[in-house]
Amino acid sequence: DIVMTQTPLSSPVTLGQPASISCRSSQSLVHSDGNSYLSWLHQRPGQPPRLLIYKISNRFSGVPDRFSGSGAGTDFTLKISRVEAEDVGVYYCAQATQFYTFGQGTKLEIK
Amino acid sequence: EVQLVESGGGLVQPGGSLRLSCAASGLTFSHYYMNWVRQAPGKGLEWVANIKQDGSETYYVDSVKGRFTISRDNARNSLYLQMNSLRAEDTAVYYCATVVGGVDYWGQGTLLTVSS
Repeated sequence: DIVMTQTPLSSPVTLGQPASISCRSSQSLVHSDGNSYLSWLHQRPGQPPRLLIYKISNRFSGVPDRFSGSGAGTDFTLKISRVEAEDVGVYYCAQATQFYTFGQGTKLEIK
Repeated sequence: EVQLVESGGGLVQPGGSLRLSCAASGLTFSHYYMNWVRQAPGKGLEWVANIKQDGSETYYVDSVKGRFTISRDNARNSLYLQMNSLRAEDTAVYYCATVVGGVDYWGQGTLLTVSS
């Protein structure tokens, strides 16, 4: 099974400052079709996960452009250029190249 | 627009059974793998099971093998999870999820509580 490892697990950030979350997979996420099925999800308490980024770097419909994704192979990053109050919650990386597995989650909170 | 709507959650005693359902719309259901993912209270996301487009292959996380059965009815655009021999540690919100063209779609989830 592909294991996803996120760092950090907690990230206190000042409003208006950038934030970055890393995700590493235990093996390459390149699928036989040439795509890498790496997504980033955001979850607020009591709500289902919401898709932010899919296939490493594609913003989902309605996602603000302050969110960006990058990476390749086994190393991926989610960046928020300027954190806003609504960005608090838990962020998960997810891979769907082989089954569907998730990182442990990174809790973003405001300092 | 892709929509996934779960139902069937509730309170069950340890050792009991329950079947969850997921109604899909906005996609050609028979074209996609489907997944069940769960989230225990205060915990992260855990993939539970998935099923191939035609139902011919199914896969499970080790902790539910032999107890849970994933199935689908492509004529009804529906996904199911039959859960037997339930344990307290199965308590969680259960989501159905799929990936269409690389885009992840999730339902709102249904809560299963296993308690006496």
